Amino acid sequence: DAKTTQPPSMDCAEGRAANLPCNHSTISGNEYVYWYRQIHSQGPQYIIHGLKNNETNEMASLIITEDRKSSTLILPHATLRDTAVYYCIVRVDELNTGNQFYFGTGTSLTVIP
Amino acid sequence: NAGVTQTPKFRILKIGQSMTLQCAQDMNHNYMYWYRQDPGMGLKLIYYSVGAGITDKGEVPNGYNVSRSTTEDFPLRLELAAPSQTSVYFCASEGGGEKLFFGSGTQLSVL
Repeated sequence: DAKTTQPPSMDCAEGRAANLPCNHSTISGNEYVYWYRQIHSQGPQYIIHGLKNNETNEMASLIITEDRKSSTLILPHATLRDTAVYYCIVRVDELNTGNQFYFGTGTSLTVIP
Repeated sequence: NAGVTQTPKFRILKIGQSMTLQCAQDMNHNYMYWYRQDPGMGLKLIYYSVGAGITDKGEVPNGYNVSRSTTEDFPLRLELAAPSQTSVYFCASEGGGEKLFFGSGTQLSVL
């Protein structure tokens, strides 16, 4: 069963902010929201994750709504190299369960020159 | 650190053949995973391991086997290869703030 819902594709102009939405309406209290991206056919790359509070790192910002049912990944100044498939994943943080990451089909972001 | 190393990068199998996809990590991570990715699709979890000697099934385990005799190695075995197993296979390990680190993938074709 899909735990997250993302739009299949989005475009963004180079230099502008890219805002990628994700719905996770059935998220439980101990599930984190993770974002990964996959450039061409490489292995996915970690971007950011959070539980309740908004998070920011050198790559992106993660905004989680107060009810935690949705989130937005923000790439503040998109470049052509940000063209990739972006995956939003919810995952339980439990010991000794494998903490499985289940990937959906993601959002294909195209940054346009 | 080399990170997560997968071999081979490419392989063509005939139907009914078997092979082992190798995965090794040098980051001393306990958790390791095998995913497959069909064209235009997301990644599906095949098997995972929480430590040496412990493995468990993911979403799509049929047709595959794994073992985890050491922390470093997590090979994936395909028995009786079928065309439906044509895919790109990714191995990953988890560590450092609960992040997944992926290998570069193995592209497998079964003809």
